[in-house]
Amino acid sequence: DTEVTQTPKHLVMGMTNKKSLKCEQHMGHRAMYWYKQKAKKPPELMFVYSYEKLSINESVPSRFSPECPNSSLLNLHLHALQPEDSALYLCASSQELRNEKLFFGSGTQLSVL
Amino acid sequence: AQSVTQPDIHITVSEGASLELRCNYSYGATPYLFWYVQSPGQGLQLLLKYFSGDTLVQGIKGFEAEFKRSQSSFNLRKPSVHWSDAAEYFCAVDTNTGNQFYFGTGTSLTVIP
Repeated sequence: DTEVTQTPKHLVMGMTNKKSLKCEQHMGHRAMYWYKQKAKKPPELMFVYSYEKLSINESVPSRFSPECPNSSLLNLHLHALQPEDSALYLCASSQELRNEKLFFGSGTQLSVL
Repeated sequence: AQSVTQPDIHITVSEGASLELRCNYSYGATPYLFWYVQSPGQGLQLLLKYFSGDTLVQGIKGFEAEFKRSQSSFNLRKPSVHWSDAAEYFCAVDTNTGNQFYFGTGTSLTVIP
């Protein structure tokens, strides 16, 4: 299994909603990442978890809250988002934190109304 | 500051023609170098990577890239493009210090019959 699975694939939410994005991998990777990608732009790193501990937070607003309940799962909790938060949210994983090879999921396309 | 430059925002080639996508990086030492491909609405797929050794690296789908230290470049090439190669291509750099992983701004490839 060399996949990173993200659910849902599409999400539409209002600015007062609370929702969560989920990411799962069963490759035994110990580093997991959240990226945000606007159309026609490169992915921007949001958070990095290493061994289930938050390693990097790239100054992301608190309306985005990551969670790593175990080594296979990574969640991104969303609350009080703004329309400008609409983007493709990509999860990735790697064996360790060195980014030797990042495996990306297909992403969740998020629209905030 | 470290950076990755992809000078060509958009390239159009005919099917069967050769392809070269440019990537330049700005970093004092030799970083790890990657090329990723992204189809619309999808995650990123690793095409190839360079860490050290032979400066010509082979990747998946018939792609290759050549690292040229003197030019700080890592250009992606394919001898004969297929219509299915139409996608967004991102060059990326890992500076091997901490967790600094930078994506270039991407090159959009259109393949015409």
